[in-house]
Amino acid sequence: DQQVKQNSPSLSVQEGRISILNCDYTNSMFDYFLWYKKYPAEGPTFLISISSIKDKNEDGRFTVFLNKSAKHLSLHIVPSQPGDSAVYFCAASEGNNNDMRFGAGTRLTVKP
Amino acid sequence: SQTIHQWPATLVQPVGSPLSLECTVEGTSNPNLYWYRQAAGRGLQLLFYSVGIGQISSEVPQNLSASRPQDRQFILSSKKLLLSDSGFYLCAWSEPGVEKLFFGSGTQLSVL
Repeated sequence: DQQVKQNSPSLSVQEGRISILNCDYTNSMFDYFLWYKKYPAEGPTFLISISSIKDKNEDGRFTVFLNKSAKHLSLHIVPSQPGDSAVYFCAASEGNNNDMRFGAGTRLTVKP
Repeated sequence: SQTIHQWPATLVQPVGSPLSLECTVEGTSNPNLYWYRQAAGRGLQLLFYSVGIGQISSEVPQNLSASRPQDRQFILSSKKLLLSDSGFYLCAWSEPGVEKLFFGSGTQLSVL
């Protein structure tokens, strides 16, 4: 039962351009969404989050957009840098972090 | 500051052998603790979580078990490993009521 889906397993962009990573969810009860970044052989690290009462949250080069009606969120990275190359996981919870669900991840490659 | 330690980093075990992965958290009290698994090409799957000593909730029925003998110690075990147990195992913690997970560095388990 995949309640959180990242349909693009990989994405490649040129350095300096925008990276857009997408995530869809099916559970309308989710009210908190997070993005994690993971390098090989390391645990994921928290990147940015958004509550369902907002539709946008920005932190430096990273912006997360939430479209509740479409059950869709996206992560924008502008400008993309080679150090951003990693696997990005989308996650969602129902206000109880004991039930956080993760997508399958999108591998981002930023080419110099 | 809080830190999470997980070991070993890699493990190769034969089918049918036992398993014990350990995770400890420092710098916080009464954390929520989690075990996740990332199978090849898949997202993070929640295996177990614990809100206190001796309290374990299982998300996925399987031949794995978890224990929390101390407040900041979480152990993942198996009596007999299966080939399908291969994967990247991640321990994580969170503050109760805070929807942000902090992950350990992970254990790459290969069952041969």
